[in-house]
Amino acid sequence: RKEVEQDPGPFNVPEGATVAFNCTYSNSASQSFFWYRQDCRKEPKLLMSVYSSGNEDGRFTAQLNRASQYISLLIRDSKLSDSATYLCVVNLGGNTPLVFGKGTRLSVIA
Amino acid sequence: SAVISQKPSRDICQRGTSLTIQCQVDSQVTMMFWYRQQPGQSLTLIATANQGSEATYESGFVIDKFPISRPNLTFSTLTVSNMSPEDSSIYLCSVEESAGGSDEQFFGPGTRLTVL
Repeated sequence: RKEVEQDPGPFNVPEGATVAFNCTYSNSASQSFFWYRQDCRKEPKLLMSVYSSGNEDGRFTAQLNRASQYISLLIRDSKLSDSATYLCVVNLGGNTPLVFGKGTRLSVIA
Repeated sequence: SAVISQKPSRDICQRGTSLTIQCQVDSQVTMMFWYRQQPGQSLTLIATANQGSEATYESGFVIDKFPISRPNLTFSTLTVSNMSPEDSSIYLCSVEESAGGSDEQFFGPGTRLTVL
């Protein structure tokens, strides 16, 4: 079983749509959780951290369910500029490196 | 946030040769990592570059194939040795910074390697 598994994608949605990505992780000792965004031919960049209570940043909402080892990202009112690959990332903490999911590709179309 | 540069940004190399990739950070960082991202795949950690000691390699990666140097807290190199077409990939340097009680990893722009 892969350590971090994500929706296979790709997701093709119209502008203004709401889209949700799901992710599960296998190591229950994972401490930190993130969503990274990677544009085509660019490096990954942190989109947002995911906190136990859930958190929101503008049109983006992240949720964490530790019992189910499940993370989600919701994007409301999709923009063309949201088109990218979204990477689910977990960390065990203590100076250990990040573990990346394979990513879910999103295409927002006009 | 840390600013990371990598050289070269891309290269096309012949089978059997070696390429050294440089990573420079604009601030001193404790943790530096080297990742590989093959076409259509996610990032795979190659090794953690430790300052003043040997790098820590992940399963499936060995020092003879991917020697790493970390002479100080702002610089590291990754060498891809005796290259084959299977080594064609993007190689990314990454650093971890602590800010406001949380750790964030930043990535360099990557080095796109094609092996013929």
